[in-house]
Amino acid sequence: DSGVTQTPKHLITATGQRVTLRCSPRSGDLSVYWYQQSLDQGLQFLIQYYNGEERAKGNILERFSAQQFPDLHSELNLSSLELGDSALYFCASSALQGGSTEAFFGQGTRLTVV
Amino acid sequence: AQTVTQSQPEMSVQEAETVTLSCTYDTSESNYYLFWYKQPPSRQMILVIRQEAYKQQNATENRFSVNFQKAAKSFSLKISDSQRGDTAMYFCAFRSYNTDKLIFGTGTRLQVFP
Repeated sequence: DSGVTQTPKHLITATGQRVTLRCSPRSGDLSVYWYQQSLDQGLQFLIQYYNGEERAKGNILERFSAQQFPDLHSELNLSSLELGDSALYFCASSALQGGSTEAFFGQGTRLTVV
Repeated sequence: AQTVTQSQPEMSVQEAETVTLSCTYDTSESNYYLFWYKQPPSRQMILVIRQEAYKQQNATENRFSVNFQKAAKSFSLKISDSQRGDTAMYFCAFRSYNTDKLIFGTGTRLQVFP
């Protein structure tokens, strides 16, 4: 158990809908990262938050947004869902920024858009 | 932009034998970190081993070791005394010294058979 909790584990929804994925980082970790793992794109970095502030952005679609709350949990919001958004979404957390700090991954949320 | 390439989509090895997974990367930076992650059927991303680019000595973790060739931008993973529990997808990942995001290769699916 990495200590990173993601809910829900599975999500099935229809095209055009909006969903929210939730992540609770390891106790004390200030950085949260979101990654998307799809069959054709592999693991792609979406966005990073550090202590409530956006720190880095990857190839995140405009239909996607995220935030980190004062209690350090994070949510990834996906809207106007398309079939191609079906993927495994990982959250990871680390204690600090930079250095050799290890990122610990949650078990992911499997999103299926039908 | 940094890229990570894993040229072996699938590998297989017999129990107790040794297998080497290849990874090459491209970067213009001199300070960075390299990682191997394991993703078993449970989907959990598990850190196997890490290497700091400024260290010449190859990292080892029990049965896992790396061959880091900085000039060649190569970072292979050697698994000795392979076990059934090593069956998983293995991802090579790069992280710049200045950012926290991980850049992943496309993965190598390793099957360990009796």
